[in-house]
Order: sequence, then C-alpha cells, then structure tokens
Amino acid sequence: DQQVKQNSPSLSVQEGRISILNCDYTNSMFDYFLWYKKYPAEGPTFLISISSIKDKNEDGRFTVFLNKSAKHLSLHIVPSQPGDSAVYFCAAYSGAGSYQLTFGKGTKLSVIP
Amino acid sequence: DTGVSQDPRHKITKRGQNVTFRCDPISEHNRLYWYRQTLGQGPEFLTYFQNEAQLEKSRLLSDRFSAERPKGSFSTLEIQRTEQGDSAMYLCASTLDGGYTFGSGTRLTVV
Repeated sequence: DQQVKQNSPSLSVQEGRISILNCDYTNSMFDYFLWYKKYPAEGPTFLISISSIKDKNEDGRFTVFLNKSAKHLSLHIVPSQPGDSAVYFCAAYSGAGSYQLTFGKGTKLSVIP
Repeated sequence: DTGVSQDPRHKITKRGQNVTFRCDPISEHNRLYWYRQTLGQGPEFLTYFQNEAQLEKSRLLSDRFSAERPKGSFSTLEIQRTEQGDSAMYLCASTLDGGYTFGSGTRLTVV
C-alpha cells in the first residue's frame, strides 16, 4: 500500500525551461510534505517543504504547491539547470507522530543543455 | 558541525556474516532514524530513536536486525546472518523538529 506516489519515473526538460514534478498521497494524517534531491551513492538532500496549512512555498528557483483536496503536490523548478539533474523524492509525515518519513519512489529529472 | 556521518560508506560481505554500521547524528538532534533504500525505491523507514530510547520499529526490521543508540549520541545498526536480500543503501537521518538531515549512507552488498 503506497501512501506516497510519484507516477512519473523520469522527466526530461530543456535547460532554462520549467520542470514540474508531481506527487500524490493517500494518508490524510500527513501534514508536512518535503522534497529531496538525491545523487547516486549519496544521501537525500533537503530541498523545500510545505505544511498542510499552506498551499504554496517558494525558495529561489523552487516552488512547492499543495492541493489538499486532491491530495496532490508538485515541485516547480524555474529555470531548470543541468545541475538539477538528479532523482527527486517526495516525502510526507504526520507532525503528531514520530516524524517518520514516507517516501515516493522518486522521479529522475534530466535537464538537457 | 559536519552534518550526519555514516561509516563505512561501502561494505561487501559474504552471505551469513554479521555486519555493523555506525551513524553519528548532528549533536543537538534528539531524534535519529534508520532507513533502507533498494534500487528503484524510495527510502523505507526501519527504526527511530528519541535520545537513547528506541520508540518505533518497522515490520521490515526482522529479528536479524538490531539497532542501538547508547547515551543518545551515535547509533549502530547490526545485521546478523546477512542474506542477499539485505543488499541496499542504509541511510541514517537526524532531526530536532522535523527538519531532517540525512547522512551519505552505507552501501551494503551481500555476495
């Protein structure tokens, strides 16, 4: 039973264009959502997060949008750069519990120069 | 503070051998987590410590797995009688208030 789903295993985008990565969740108890970036043989690196009381959070080139009614969030990267090429994981947790993260399977983003 | 450190970075072991991994969290973080990541999957929760107390264990953590966090500082994860299915990246993370920091992981290969 996958509670966090990233349905696109891969995404290719031209440098300078927008990258949109999508994530769906099923557990209504989740109230914090995070995006991580991961290079091979390294641990995940935190990018940006959003709590369920907001619908948008922005940090530089990265913006996360949350649609609670649809249980959907997305990460927008504008403009995309070749260094953004990595696997992106969506994760979620309930602030009432142990802060245990539930991850999606990841989306591999390739930014083409 | 250099972040979360994990040792070793890579471990190759023969099936049936025991292995132990170490994690040094960020010093002021009271919560420490172990996750496991296999190819094509996201990290999966294994276990969680608050200070020295192990408060939660996943059903993924079989009897062959044991974790400790003596004195609430570093943590160790031991796998006894390793199996090929244990081959994975083992990730440690720490947090104080939900802002997770992950280590670089230990890549285990069981041959």
